[in-house]
Amino acid sequence: AQSVTQLDSQVPVFEEAPVELRCNYSSSVSVYLFWYVQYPNQGLQLLLKYLSGSTLVKGINGFEAEFNKSQTSFHLRKPSVHISDTAEYFCAVSWGRRALTFGSGTRLQVQP
Amino acid sequence: GAGVSQSPRYKVAKRGQDVALRCDPISGHVSLFWYQQALGQGPEFLTYFQNEAQLDKSGLPSDRFFAERPEGSVSTLKIQRTQQEDSAVYLCASSPGTASLMNTGELFFGEGSRLTVL
Repeated sequence: AQSVTQLDSQVPVFEEAPVELRCNYSSSVSVYLFWYVQYPNQGLQLLLKYLSGSTLVKGINGFEAEFNKSQTSFHLRKPSVHISDTAEYFCAVSWGRRALTFGSGTRLQVQP
Repeated sequence: GAGVSQSPRYKVAKRGQDVALRCDPISGHVSLFWYQQALGQGPEFLTYFQNEAQLDKSGLPSDRFFAERPEGSVSTLKIQRTQQEDSAVYLCASSPGTASLMNTGELFFGEGSRLTVL
């Protein structure tokens, strides 16, 4: 079965430090990749997406992610985090024309 | 409204009761999805509508779950004879494109309906 794995359930980091949130998925055949963010008491919103083309994609709020087909990964990075980045981050994958499959989420906790 | 609206935001039901959860998608959005998000987990796909047609219901966990979108806009997710394992946040999302997601790739989510079954 196709799956999305976010190995880190929580990532504590100090403000202004870099961060990487990891995402791996099964099967690289015809994938479309997404990162969504969920702030407290809000709905999920799209951070960035990879459909085709350049493997490095940039999203909102200074986040970026790199599609690595050989490693079936789509890790999310930010060079310097802010307190306001504290949220739950979900990696999501669409295989072909099917609905998104989400990972279990990573809670990013930015500390002052 | 400008976004996806879900109601009720919170629902407490006794085991065995029926519940209905409503989703108002963004006006004009063709696609509508329902997801179930258990505590500490990511959203899990339940069902998909393209306009009024339910094209995929493969994620519905049992025949107690039923969804409809009769006029291609508002959708209702109904759960009959609720069980404790149905406790979760039910998320609705809409998209202007079809299920291919190749055009926009973005789903617009509501804030969810939190169901607690006692």
